[in-house]
Amino acid sequence: AQSVTQLGSHVSVSEGALVLLRCNYSSSVPPYLFWYVQYPNQGLQLLLKYTTGATLVKGINGFEAEFKKSETSFHLTKPSAHMSDAAEYFCAVSDRNQGGKLIFGQGTELSVKP
Amino acid sequence: GAVVSQHPSWVICKSGTSVKIECRSLDFQATTMFWYRQFPKQSLMLMATSNEGSKATYEQGVEKDKFLINHASLTLSTLTVTSAHPEDSSFYICSATKTTGTYYSYNEQFFGPGTRLTVL
Repeated sequence: AQSVTQLGSHVSVSEGALVLLRCNYSSSVPPYLFWYVQYPNQGLQLLLKYTTGATLVKGINGFEAEFKKSETSFHLTKPSAHMSDAAEYFCAVSDRNQGGKLIFGQGTELSVKP
Repeated sequence: GAVVSQHPSWVICKSGTSVKIECRSLDFQATTMFWYRQFPKQSLMLMATSNEGSKATYEQGVEKDKFLINHASLTLSTLTVTSAHPEDSSFYICSATKTTGTYYSYNEQFFGPGTRLTVL
């Protein structure tokens, strides 16, 4: 069975500082990996995804993530945080054999201090 | 393209009544739709997967007789919460994919804005 663990339910950074949100996954087959962002009372927006190919994936709003198979990790980073980045972030994994079904991590709330 | 809408965006109902939530793909045909449930400050939990024209596949622990899912067309899926109780209060989110994913290709899920259900 697949699972996703996000380390840290709440991360706080200063504006302009590096953002690092951690995600580790468990999967018996090569996974598809995703990061989504959710603003209050809204649906999810895809930030980036890894399916195949280059392990460093660039997404929207300056975010990127690196798939590290040996560490079973897919951490999300952004060099410089903006106030508008404050939101809930979810890492998710999809089993290639399950037709796109997503398993989400617990979520990490990002706060950005001025 | 790839816009998913949900209606209503919020609903308040009395305990014991049924509530229907619609999920529509506005500019594409959705072969597969997913329904999620999210409690406050928690993650999304997949409730069921529905494919157009066939019965929904429910996740373990989800009562299929309580959460009725109908995917009657390629642009519409509905979730009906029957005999709702306060513990059913939650944020319900749907997503849709353009085609069915395979081992070699992933089809992105496009998420609706969610429906907040409050049962009094």
